[in-house]
Amino acid sequence: GESVGLHLPTLSVQEGDNSIINCAYSNSASDYFIWYKQESGKGPQFIIDIRSNMDKRQGQRVTVLLNKTVKHLSLQIAATQPGDSAVYFCAENIYNQGGKLIFGQGTELSVKP
Amino acid sequence: KAGVTQTPRYLIKTRGQQVTLSCSPISGHRSVSWYQQTPGQGLQFLFEYFSETQRNKGNFPGRFSGRQFSNSRSEMNVSTLELGDSALYLCASRRDTMNTIYFGEGSWLTVV
Repeated sequence: GESVGLHLPTLSVQEGDNSIINCAYSNSASDYFIWYKQESGKGPQFIIDIRSNMDKRQGQRVTVLLNKTVKHLSLQIAATQPGDSAVYFCAENIYNQGGKLIFGQGTELSVKP
Repeated sequence: KAGVTQTPRYLIKTRGQQVTLSCSPISGHRSVSWYQQTPGQGLQFLFEYFSETQRNKGNFPGRFSGRQFSNSRSEMNVSTLELGDSALYLCASRRDTMNTIYFGEGSWLTVV
């Protein structure tokens, strides 16, 4: 079936620590994955994406890892800051389904100063 | 470069009424998708338009419809509003199939 799920609905970390947010997907045909950050009252903000021909991609303070064998995706945030507090969503996309994204339930990240 | 722009940002409607939401994609983006976000159901895909044609549709009743204009701007319409239609409606755009999908800030619809 079509589903993207997050393992942890909430995550609380200390400022300066690294955060890891996990996501499982079930559709082996998915070939594009995106992480979004959503702050209260705002739309999802693009963080980083990765295609299925890659295992890892790095951005500024963020890294996405893709394990196609176990259909697992993770977002690592280095040196987490209070401004990182938000809900994080993973989303999957299948090439022949155009712009249709299937979203996970979201993980709320809380950063303690 | 302006992002995805949605109007109105907030609106309140009465059951049975209809509503039209507007979306202006990022300049140069030809694909526009719409999503509904609720606390109970999360983010759900409504439909996608590309070059004025509906390319994909989610599992929503026929009361939900949309269209895209030649300048890529898009509108979605919900007729015969129900209380359960209260949600954040999000528009997203991308240049074409292989590019990143960006979201607007959304339109908050409350049905009373």
